[in-house]
Amino acid sequence: KQEVTQIPAALSVPEGENLVLNCSFTDSAIYNLQWFRQDPGKGLTSLLLIQSSQREQTSGRLNASLDKSSGRSTLYIAASQPGDSATYLCAANLSNDYKLSFGAGTTVTVRA
Amino acid sequence: DAGVTQSPTHLIKTRGQQVTLRCSPKSGHDTVSWYQQALGQGPQFIFQYYEEEERQRGNFPDRFSGHQFPNYSSELNVNALLLGDSALYLCASSRRTGGRYSNQPQHFGDGTRLSIL
Repeated sequence: KQEVTQIPAALSVPEGENLVLNCSFTDSAIYNLQWFRQDPGKGLTSLLLIQSSQREQTSGRLNASLDKSSGRSTLYIAASQPGDSATYLCAANLSNDYKLSFGAGTTVTVRA
Repeated sequence: DAGVTQSPTHLIKTRGQQVTLRCSPKSGHDTVSWYQQALGQGPQFIFQYYEEEERQRGNFPDRFSGHQFPNYSSELNVNALLLGDSALYLCASSRRTGGRYSNQPQHFGDGTRLSIL
């Protein structure tokens, strides 16, 4: 069974600081890993998808890395802004599975 | 390009009742998954539908059932509602790309907030 962990559960940073969000998974046989953003009371917005054959993926200020051997993915958000305040979730898709296994998320607050 | 749409947005029911939630996938998508998200937790997989059949099921009781229609839209039905069924129910869609397992991102709707009194 794939276990996905995100630590810390919450993070508060001043505006302009770079954000580093961590995601750990127990089964290295993943097919891909996806990062999502969730605003309060809303659904999930897909940010980045990293295939198992990739080491990283970038979109604007966002960069996600994947290290299957250590069971880790990291989401970097450069030059954080108050609008980046949200909960960020990672989800792993195993190689022999259709479902996404989610972490509980990291709630980020960017202080102006 | 419409994304994933879910209805209703909010629903209040009492214990023992039955509920039906609806989902229309993103244009071009043929696979629909349902997730339950309790407050402060990550979403938990309920089941996935493809070609109108349940392809995989998570650890949920038979009170949870679903359906996929020829136009790829889907319904989630929950019978004999319990207080513990109160949650945000999320629908996700994706597009099968030929391999057995999709390597395409899943796109989520805004969910249905279900409250059981």
